[in-house]
Amino acid sequence: QQQVKQSPQSLIVQKGGISIINCAYENTAFDYFPWYQQFPGKGPALLIAIRPDVSEKKEGRFTISFNKSAKQFSLHIMDSQPGDSATYFCAASISGYALNFGKGTSLLVTP
Amino acid sequence: GAVVSQHPSWVICKSGTSVKIECRSLDFQATTMFWYRQFPKQSLMLMATSNEGSKATYEQGVEKDKFLINHASLTLSTLTVTSAHPEDSSFYICSAPRPGGYGYTFGSGTRLTVV
Repeated sequence: QQQVKQSPQSLIVQKGGISIINCAYENTAFDYFPWYQQFPGKGPALLIAIRPDVSEKKEGRFTISFNKSAKQFSLHIMDSQPGDSATYFCAASISGYALNFGKGTSLLVTP
Repeated sequence: GAVVSQHPSWVICKSGTSVKIECRSLDFQATTMFWYRQFPKQSLMLMATSNEGSKATYEQGVEKDKFLINHASLTLSTLTVTSAHPEDSSFYICSAPRPGGYGYTFGSGTRLTVV
């Protein structure tokens, strides 16, 4: 059973545009919500993470929006660049326990 | 800080042989290590959780006799794929909770190809 549902599966955005990826979860005990970026042949790299007591967190061009009541969170990539083309995974966990990953979103930023 | 070193980065082995993957925590003590497997174009799927000094807990559908996990010390966890077959070819990644309880650190992954 997929505990974290991610959409869309793939996304094409023009350079300079905003990329938005959404995730939904069911387990209200989750208290850690990270986003990972993965390039082919590499392991996942943490982009940004949020706790459920915060509704938004911004780091550079990356922003997480968190809606606790809707059990949803999203990643916004502002001013998307071709170098952002990668696969993005959302995840959720209870701290100290294993991460539950979404299925991933393949992002392509066109020049 | 909180670095996990994973070796080897890639390995090719013949069908029927065994392969050992090591994950070492370099600057902290990892009492827990998670082992994930990622098939091409798929997500990371938890295989098992290992705790130092005790038996690993395997996820449903993962053969514990095939994927042997040892966590004998606070700085080393190993995954041995026994009698490997081509369908075991995958990307294996270890991960440990960061000290202090917020976040996780990942190894760099091992690309296993069984021929």
